[in-house]
Amino acid sequence: AQSVAQPEDQVNVAEGNPLTVKCTYSVSGNPYLFWYVQYPNRGLQFLLKYITGDNLVKGSYGFEAEFNKSQTSFHLKKPSALVSDSALYFCAVRGGYNKLIFGAGTRLAVHP
Amino acid sequence: GAVVSQHPSWVICKSGTSVKIECRSLDFQATTMFWYRQFPKQSLMLMATSNEGSKATYEQGVEKDKFLINHASLTLSTLTVTSAHPEDSSFYICSARGQGGGELFFGEGSRLTVL
Repeated sequence: AQSVAQPEDQVNVAEGNPLTVKCTYSVSGNPYLFWYVQYPNRGLQFLLKYITGDNLVKGSYGFEAEFNKSQTSFHLKKPSALVSDSALYFCAVRGGYNKLIFGAGTRLAVHP
Repeated sequence: GAVVSQHPSWVICKSGTSVKIECRSLDFQATTMFWYRQFPKQSLMLMATSNEGSKATYEQGVEKDKFLINHASLTLSTLTVTSAHPEDSSFYICSARGQGGGELFFGEGSRLTVL
């Protein structure tokens, strides 16, 4: 069965520093992977996706993610964090019947 | 990007009453909509898949008679929480996928509080 794991409940980073939010996946076949961000009491906003092609995927708001097949990872990255990036981040994989299966979420806290 | 609208954003109701939440795709036709439930500080749990013109497919453990889903048109799906109880209090989020598959777009969510 398809699944994703986000090993960190929370990531703390200083503004201006690079950030990484980790995600590993388990799928049979080729993975379709996604990152979403959620602000308090709001729905999810799409950041980026990997379907095929380049392993480095660029998305919204300066975020990018690197697909690593050998490590079954799809970590989210940003070169320079902003305080406004503080939010809840979800990694997801497309499962059977086109359902999205979400990880537990990682809370990113960027402090000034 | 495409817009998915949920209404209401917030709703408070008394125990035993029913509450309807609407999910609309504003600028595209959604053949499939998904309903999720999110508890505080937790991930999204898929409740059901709603296909236009057919019965919803519920995930294991989700009560069909408790959470009624209707997808009567290509732009509207509704979730009705029947005989709501305090344990039904949660954040409900819908998402929609356009015709031909592709990306999912999410609504802003609806927070239900049952007193």
